[in-house]
Amino acid sequence: KQEVTQIPAALSVPEGENLVLNCSFTDSAIYNLQWFRQDPGKGLTSLLLIQSSQREQTSGRLNASLDKSSGRSTLYIAASQPGDSATYLCAVMGTSGTYKYIFGTGTRLKVLA
Amino acid sequence: GAGVSQSPSNKVTEKGKDVELRCDPISGHTALYWYRQRLGQGLEFLIYFQGNSAPDKSGLPSDRFSAERTGESVSTLTIQRTQQEDSAVYLCASSTGRGDTQYFGPGTRLTVL
Repeated sequence: KQEVTQIPAALSVPEGENLVLNCSFTDSAIYNLQWFRQDPGKGLTSLLLIQSSQREQTSGRLNASLDKSSGRSTLYIAASQPGDSATYLCAVMGTSGTYKYIFGTGTRLKVLA
Repeated sequence: GAGVSQSPSNKVTEKGKDVELRCDPISGHTALYWYRQRLGQGLEFLIYFQGNSAPDKSGLPSDRFSAERTGESVSTLTIQRTQQEDSAVYLCASSTGRGDTQYFGPGTRLTVL
């Protein structure tokens, strides 16, 4: 059974810092992995999607890496800003025969001005 | 263009009543997901639609929960004889296909008294 863990559960950093959020999963047979942000009281916004054959994806100040063999993904945020404050979630989909995403419980990020 | 919409945004009901939650996906998106997020917890997968068929219903917690979808359009999630443990935010997401980027609606907050 796939389990997804995110560490740390909460993080508070001063503006301008580079930071890394971690996501680990127990079953390396994944189809892809997605990173989302969730703002309070709102739905989720997709940030990056990494296919199982890829090692990383980049979008602006965000870079996500994937190491299937070790069951890990990291989300790197460069030059953090107060607007980055949100909860960040990772989710994995297994290989053929499944359609569900398994979500981690998220990292709550606060960037201080 | 229009994103995923959900209605109602909030629903308060009495224990034992039936409720219907609606999701309007992005036009042209064949894949549709329902998730549940209890307070302080991660997202739980409920059901996946491809078109109007549901190849994965494995997340529905009991036979009180059912969902249907009309073609590649609106979906309704019905909860019969609601219980207090059904209180949660119900989120809907759509995508162009299995494993593609998911676009989430704002959610329906259900409170069962």
